[in-house]
Amino acid sequence: GQSLEQPSEVTAVEGAIVQINCTYQTSGFYGLSWYQQHDGGAPTFLSYNALDGLEETGRFSSFLSRSDSYGYLLLQELQMKDSASYFCAAGRRGGGTSYGKLTFGQGTILTVHP
Amino acid sequence: GAVVSQHPSWVICKSGTSVKIECRSLDFQATTMFWYRQFPKQSLMLMATSNEGSKATYEQGVEKDKFLINHASLTLSTLTVTSAHPEDSSFYICSARDEQGMNTEAFFGQGTRLTVV
Repeated sequence: GQSLEQPSEVTAVEGAIVQINCTYQTSGFYGLSWYQQHDGGAPTFLSYNALDGLEETGRFSSFLSRSDSYGYLLLQELQMKDSASYFCAAGRRGGGTSYGKLTFGQGTILTVHP
Repeated sequence: GAVVSQHPSWVICKSGTSVKIECRSLDFQATTMFWYRQFPKQSLMLMATSNEGSKATYEQGVEKDKFLINHASLTLSTLTVTSAHPEDSSFYICSARDEQGMNTEAFFGQGTRLTVV
């Protein structure tokens, strides 16, 4: 089956650095994405890794190791507005379906304190 | 980035009625769109893959006769929840990829919060 594991909750203070880990077991895997979701809102794309290594986008970075079926999202210089749920999502292909089908982890609730 | 627009953003309907949700890709064409459902405090679960010009592909456990999907053009997919019941109350979200571009991330619509009373 398809499964992704990530911590359920993380707490940190403003200005700190937080790493949210994600391990996956997914057939047809082609890449790992990260999404942020505030209460009541839709997921917002943060970062994507198709290849091993680190991708940096401003305060957010994401890492992927295909051999370890593992990735993480790194959030630096945390701000109060970063308090939200963060989902890792494995992109998978199957049969004739085009790319874009995602299997989501259960989400990590990040709480940033002053 | 690519924009996906979903309408309506929220809807309240009576039990037994049907509700149609639209998903549009505004600045790109998408032969494939995806429909997800998210219950409170839970993750997003893929319901079905919408294929332009052909039948949708449903995930295991999703009733295709209850969740009708139509993808009549390269920029529009619709999800119709038929004979809705209170247990269908959920957050429904569509996504699409710009298949012509180099980016491979999926962009999401704003979501539709359905409440069945």
